[in-house]
Amino acid sequence: AQSVTQLDSHVSVSEGTPVLLRCNYSSSYSPSLFWYVQHPNKGLQLLLKYTSAATLVKGINGFEAEFKKSETSFHLTKPSAHMSDAAEYFCVVSDGGHDMRFGAGTRLTVKP
Amino acid sequence: DSGVTQTPKHLITATGQRVTLRCSPRSGDLSVYWYQQSLDQGLQFLIQYYNGEERAKGNILERFSAQQFPDLHSELNLSSLELGDSALYFCASSGGSFENTEAFFGQGTRLTVV
Repeated sequence: AQSVTQLDSHVSVSEGTPVLLRCNYSSSYSPSLFWYVQHPNKGLQLLLKYTSAATLVKGINGFEAEFKKSETSFHLTKPSAHMSDAAEYFCVVSDGGHDMRFGAGTRLTVKP
Repeated sequence: DSGVTQTPKHLITATGQRVTLRCSPRSGDLSVYWYQQSLDQGLQFLIQYYNGEERAKGNILERFSAQQFPDLHSELNLSSLELGDSALYFCASSGGSFENTEAFFGQGTRLTVV
């Protein structure tokens, strides 16, 4: 069985400082991993995905994530936060069989 | 625009009633997922259909049912509605190959039960 744990329910950063959202996963197979973002009253948008190619994945809006198999982690980072980054972020694991498991979400607050 | 269309966007109904939410997946996607998002429960997976067949079931109540039609659109039926069913209901779709497993989400249907 696969699962994903987002280690922080809420992260608060100042504008212009780095962002780190942490995600650990558990999977019996070589997983596909995703990060989605949800802005208030909007649907979920794919930020980036890992599917066994390069371990450092670049996504939209300057976000990137690194797949570390030894640590079973897929943390999301961004060098410099922008006010528009304030949203809910979801880490997702899939075994490729269309069975996706969502983390509980991390709410990112960006202070001016 | 994700390519996934959900209707209606908003729905207000009374307790005890029945509603139907509709989802049109992205062109070519075979899988449809339904999720419920509420403030206290977060994002909950309800059910998945793949090419017309039920593929996986999550925390879906017996009062809820879904189906996927031959043209691949899907409907989620919610009956005997309770106040606690008020939530945002998302549909997502994904393709039929391992290489194309990411899900694309619609904008959601906000259901308010009064």
